[in-house]
Amino acid sequence: LAKTTQPISMDSYEGQEVNITCSHNNIATNDYITWYQQFPSQGPRFIIQGYKTKVTNEVASLFIPADRKSSTLSLPRVSLSDTAVYYCLVGGRNNNAGNMLTFGGGTRLMVKP
Amino acid sequence: ETGVTQSPTHLIKTRGQQVTLRCSSQSGHNTVSWYQQALGQGPQFIFQYYREEENGRGNFPPRFSGLQFPNYSSELNVNALELDDSALYLCASSLPGQGNTEAFFGQGTRLTVV
Repeated sequence: LAKTTQPISMDSYEGQEVNITCSHNNIATNDYITWYQQFPSQGPRFIIQGYKTKVTNEVASLFIPADRKSSTLSLPRVSLSDTAVYYCLVGGRNNNAGNMLTFGGGTRLMVKP
Repeated sequence: ETGVTQSPTHLIKTRGQQVTLRCSSQSGHNTVSWYQQALGQGPQFIFQYYREEENGRGNFPPRFSGLQFPNYSSELNVNALELDDSALYLCASSLPGQGNTEAFFGQGTRLTVV
């Protein structure tokens, strides 16, 4: 399974755009890139998934360069409630059934007033 | 709210005891996975059940076992509890499909082994 590397922590202020970059140098051809968000004492929550180029939904955008060896999660105009741990995951190609997700350590985002 | 419910929410057990954790999957989801999350770390995959059979397993010893029932609900059983088993245990349900990495997690069961 492809290993991911992301910053341990980041600080931001309300209203700013936050970009969290994840590197996955040995990503496989059929691997997808997925981001999850986790608040304290809760289970992770799916944010966004992509394969290449750019994906946008109502919560975030995901930028993936052509070589797919990294990806950037972009959170527009963060608020205090976006303070959480963000996980970058790579995989999804071996799923004849459901998802066997491999989480790393994640990035702890602290949004300040 | 994901529709995935876990019980109990908190549990305290003594070293050497056995524990059973329960999970009800989101309606229509036939795949359930279990994860262990130690404090300050990311969730670690324990195993997955698909249509009542174990479909994959992470690096956990055999004393971690599970079941999935015809209604797709699931149990995680841990025998001979050790202090290091203290963690948040998460259940996630999903639908099968190549490239589908969206899983719906429950709130977890916080297990403390003393």
